[in-house]
Amino acid sequence: EVQLVESGGGLVQPGGSLRLSCAASGISVTSNFMSWVRQAAGKGLEAVAVIYAGGSASYPDSVRGRFTISRDDSKNTVYLQMNSLRADDTAVYYCARGVFFGELSLDHWGQGTLVTVSS
Amino acid sequence: EIVLTQSPATLSLSPGERATLSCRASQTVSRYLAWYQQKPGQAPRLLIYDTSNRATGIPARFSGSGSGTDFTLTISSLEPDDIAVYYCQQRTNWPPITFGQGTRLEI
Repeated sequence: EVQLVESGGGLVQPGGSLRLSCAASGISVTSNFMSWVRQAAGKGLEAVAVIYAGGSASYPDSVRGRFTISRDDSKNTVYLQMNSLRADDTAVYYCARGVFFGELSLDHWGQGTLVTVSS
Repeated sequence: EIVLTQSPATLSLSPGERATLSCRASQTVSRYLAWYQQKPGQAPRLLIYDTSNRATGIPARFSGSGSGTDFTLTISSLEPDDIAVYYCQQRTNWPPITFGQGTRLEI
């Protein structure tokens, strides 16, 4: 059974940093497409970081240069390092595994961790 | 940048009725589309992948169709448990994952 468990969320001041973790079981994070998807309260879904099995990463303009996705094979964990946080980064952050049946779908999701950026 | 537009924003129907949710892409990038269901307070769950394939454990009353830029999620006979927000998603060139803004289903 695949399980993804996020942690590391919390309250941080504007300009601060936070590192989220996604501990995986049932899959290897280094052999899979992994992503971080966020959702502000009452809003839709936004993918903020992805890392391919080969190791390349991609980010939307809204977070590029501030967020970094990485993974640790020994801990089977994916991380999201968030720097220079802003109020509009406040959201629930989900970790999700991507699969390419014919095209990319996110078939397993964690329960999410809340990040609040406020002074 | 690809934009996925979902309609309607909100859909109010009765149990047993048929629901039709639409997702339109601003341009053709992929032949395929995925659909997700998000119930209140929960993470999204994959419903449909590659336009028309049900994910594991998804009831047969959920079906997907479409091609080009127009895609549809159909729920053949609504149940109270189907109350949720439904999102469409495509893999796009940049950013690599794009979601629609969601359709809220009320029953």
